[in-house]
Amino acid sequence: GQQVMQIPQYQHVQEGEDFTTYCNSSTTLSNIQWYKQRPGGHPVFLIQLVKSGEVKKQKRLTFQFGEAKKNSSLHITATQTTDVGTYFCAGFNAGNNRKLIWGLGTSLAVNP
Amino acid sequence: DTGVSQDPRHKITKRGQNVTFRCDPISEHNRLYWYRQTLGQGPEFLTYFQNEAQLEKSRLLSDRFSAERPKGSFSTLEIQRTEQGDSAMYLCASSSAGLGAFFGQGTRLTVV
Repeated sequence: GQQVMQIPQYQHVQEGEDFTTYCNSSTTLSNIQWYKQRPGGHPVFLIQLVKSGEVKKQKRLTFQFGEAKKNSSLHITATQTTDVGTYFCAGFNAGNNRKLIWGLGTSLAVNP
Repeated sequence: DTGVSQDPRHKITKRGQNVTFRCDPISEHNRLYWYRQTLGQGPEFLTYFQNEAQLEKSRLLSDRFSAERPKGSFSTLEIQRTEQGDSAMYLCASSSAGLGAFFGQGTRLTVV
């Protein structure tokens, strides 16, 4: 079945360092969504990318969607302690927009 | 509050009992999802409604699980004859077509 792999599983950084998480799908996605879940909280929608090669920015966060629409990345510049949490990618399989396929997430810890 | 609300927030039940959870989505959203999440894992898809129609159901969902969305508004998720393995956070999310999902705060189920 379709899988979405996300790496790394865990990442510890010093505050001010950059952070990147990568998402790879075994099949072509119609879009990719990114969510953030704080410890003890629920997933919060961050952004959706739809177009091949699309790049979007939200302040210190940069999101990319690969040309083949099979991979994506989230890059955080100069991490802050408020960035702590688990970042999930999720995508709809091209041809099935009913079920989001989720990655297992990357847990980010930021040391002050 | 115009977000997704779930009730109850916590539920402790004895093994073998039936439980029912409720989700009130964002009113203008026609799509509703149920997920299950255990510690350290990503959300696991359970089922999807578009308006009142249940269009997708996970094969992982045993026949002890059933969900309804009778009028295309709120939804209920029932688990019959609960087992300890059902202990998890049950998340509801809603969305409009083509947009990201907004999650409720979840119902934490503990089966003792």
